[in-house]
Amino acid sequence: NAGVTQTPKFRVLKTGQSMTLLCAQDMNHEYMYWYRQDPGMGLRLIHYSVGEGTTAKGEVPDGYNVSRLKKQNFLLGLESAAPSQTSVYFCASSRFNTGELFFGEGSRLTVL
Amino acid sequence: AQTVTQSQPEMSVQEAETVTLSCTYDTSENNYYLFWYKQPPSRQMILVIRQEAYKQQNATENRFSVNFQKAAKSFSLKISDSQLGDTAMYFCAVDGGIGGTSYGKLTFGQGTILTVHP
Repeated sequence: NAGVTQTPKFRVLKTGQSMTLLCAQDMNHEYMYWYRQDPGMGLRLIHYSVGEGTTAKGEVPDGYNVSRLKKQNFLLGLESAAPSQTSVYFCASSRFNTGELFFGEGSRLTVL
Repeated sequence: AQTVTQSQPEMSVQEAETVTLSCTYDTSENNYYLFWYKQPPSRQMILVIRQEAYKQQNATENRFSVNFQKAAKSFSLKISDSQLGDTAMYFCAVDGGIGGTSYGKLTFGQGTILTVHP
């Protein structure tokens, strides 16, 4: 069982470059989330989706965009990367809106 | 806004002993879920235990149990018979309230690094 898969696992960008993180889940979950993890700050919610074709802002959405064109995929985009976006990004999914999340392995992004 | 505070950045325990990780939170909701997630060195987050705020009975999962004090907004995790595989960062989290528009969104604490020594 793949569960939640994130690609790429590691990426180094230069300031101003763009990139997309892909999250794929094979559990037919309705809810999907993107979090970022920074030292001393826990995980903070960037964007989330409650179903195919829907997206909504979380706690720290600035500088990011998302799309959920297919139920199994949730894409996180950085249009113009900034050093402040250096972080580890986690995708998660949930069947119900009860907070029981299944996480991917994370994607480490460094912006120089 | 919800907040979750874990006041212990690091903890250590000897194998087979018991350790308790602390967590306090603040929410305006009356019904909500609380969670402890584990992040081992492999980085993937795993759900350890869940507590429904409307249940007075403390949740248990094998060697893991919680002490939930709703009035004090305290939610500690006790790990009994600690094992080397318990070495990880542990995150406390609260959701946005049962039902309504919470959509399962979680607010996490800063994490506690637990090291189990042989």
